[in-house]
Amino acid sequence: EVQLVQSGAEVKKPGESLKISCKGSGYSFTSYWIGWVRQMPGKGLEWMGIIYPGDSDTRYSPSFQGQVTISADKSISTAYLQWSSLKASDTAMYYCARRFDRLGELSNPFDPWGQGTLVTVSS
Amino acid sequence: QSVLTQPPSVSGAPGQRVTISCTGSSSNIGAGYDVHWYQQLPGTAPKLLIYGNSNRPSGVPDRFSGSKSGTSASLAISGLQAEDEADYYCQSYDSSLSGYVFGTGTKVTVL
Repeated sequence: EVQLVQSGAEVKKPGESLKISCKGSGYSFTSYWIGWVRQMPGKGLEWMGIIYPGDSDTRYSPSFQGQVTISADKSISTAYLQWSSLKASDTAMYYCARRFDRLGELSNPFDPWGQGTLVTVSS
Repeated sequence: QSVLTQPPSVSGAPGQRVTISCTGSSSNIGAGYDVHWYQQLPGTAPKLLIYGNSNRPSGVPDRFSGSKSGTSASLAISGLQAEDEADYYCQSYDSSLSGYVFGTGTKVTVL
């Protein structure tokens, strides 16, 4: 079974750093892109960026470029999302999801999704 | 910022048919990029419902159907059931942003 398991909820103070994780299993981790999606409280889904663990090729949404860093460690089948200095506005649920690639298509869906990591930033 | 617009809410009685629209532009849906739909039940992660405009993943009931025309796409739910009460999101690719975009989301309420 293809599965993405994310790290647990975090409570941090403004200015602190954070790295959350997403571990893939049940498939070849290096062969599929992994995306990150933000969902602020009571709001919709926002695409943040995507990484190809095979060579760490990474793309960011213009809205998140420079605000977060996406990385991966293929030796342990894990993707990461990190912040160097958190803000209260980073409070949200963060999901990772595997891109479901279809030959010749640029617009591809994401499936499956991790269970989400809730990040709370408060002084 | 969402570049795909959906109605905030739709509702229907059990057994009825409801549709959710997803309106984009010439840089995403209108450019020919496929549209995908997700269902997010309360307190859970999104789940892929329709991919490639009209294809259902294994296990998704055929009550759910999708279509695309021009710069818009639609999700239809026929034979509405109480368990369909959830948030629904469309997703596509945008060439001007060089990345993926989600719709604003639609809450479906079963009356």
